[in-house]
Amino acid sequence: AQSVSQHNHHVILSEAASLELGCNYSYGGTVNLFWYVQYPGQHLQLLLKYFSGDPLVKGIKGFEAEFIKSKFSFNLRKPSVQWSDTAEYFCAVISGGSYIPTFGRGTSLIVHP
Amino acid sequence: GAGVSQSPRYKVAKRGQDVALRCDPISGHVSLFWYQQALGQGPEFLTYFQNEAQLDKSGLPSDRFFAERPEGSVSTLKIQRTQQEDSAVYLCASSLGALGQGYNEQFFGPGTRLTVL
Repeated sequence: AQSVSQHNHHVILSEAASLELGCNYSYGGTVNLFWYVQYPGQHLQLLLKYFSGDPLVKGIKGFEAEFIKSKFSFNLRKPSVQWSDTAEYFCAVISGGSYIPTFGRGTSLIVHP
Repeated sequence: GAGVSQSPRYKVAKRGQDVALRCDPISGHVSLFWYQQALGQGPEFLTYFQNEAQLDKSGLPSDRFFAERPEGSVSTLKIQRTQQEDSAVYLCASSLGALGQGYNEQFFGPGTRLTVL
């Protein structure tokens, strides 16, 4: 069965710092990869996704993620965070042949102004 | 436009009580998913509907959990004889197309936080 690991459970940064959140998955076949974000008091929403093609994916609000197949990783990055990026971030993977996403346990990001 | 809504937003139940959680998907969305999110964890799949048909209930943790979507729009997740381990946030998500029709983004509701005492 697919498993998804998000190694950083809590991250605290100051504004303008760079961000990288790790995500690793276990299944070695074809995968579709997602990052979701949940801002305080709001719904879970899609930040970006990777299906195929360029392994560097750009999403909303300046976020990007890089798929590295050899490392089974899909890390989320942002060069300069803002206070408004404070949220919970979830990595999710859909394995080939399935339609059910497996989510990581999430990373809580707090950005101090 | 209106997104996915869920009610109630919070529910406190005594152990052994039955509860019903409602999901109103985005109008016209064919697919509907239920997830369970325990504290400090990511969402876990419970069940999937395509219109009124429940095509996958492999994630339901026990036969105390039952879901329906009789007219292909509103869905209800029912939990009978609630236990403390049922305490979690229950998320509903809908998407426009059916499975096999390419990627369809899931739009999530705010969730129902269930606490079983």
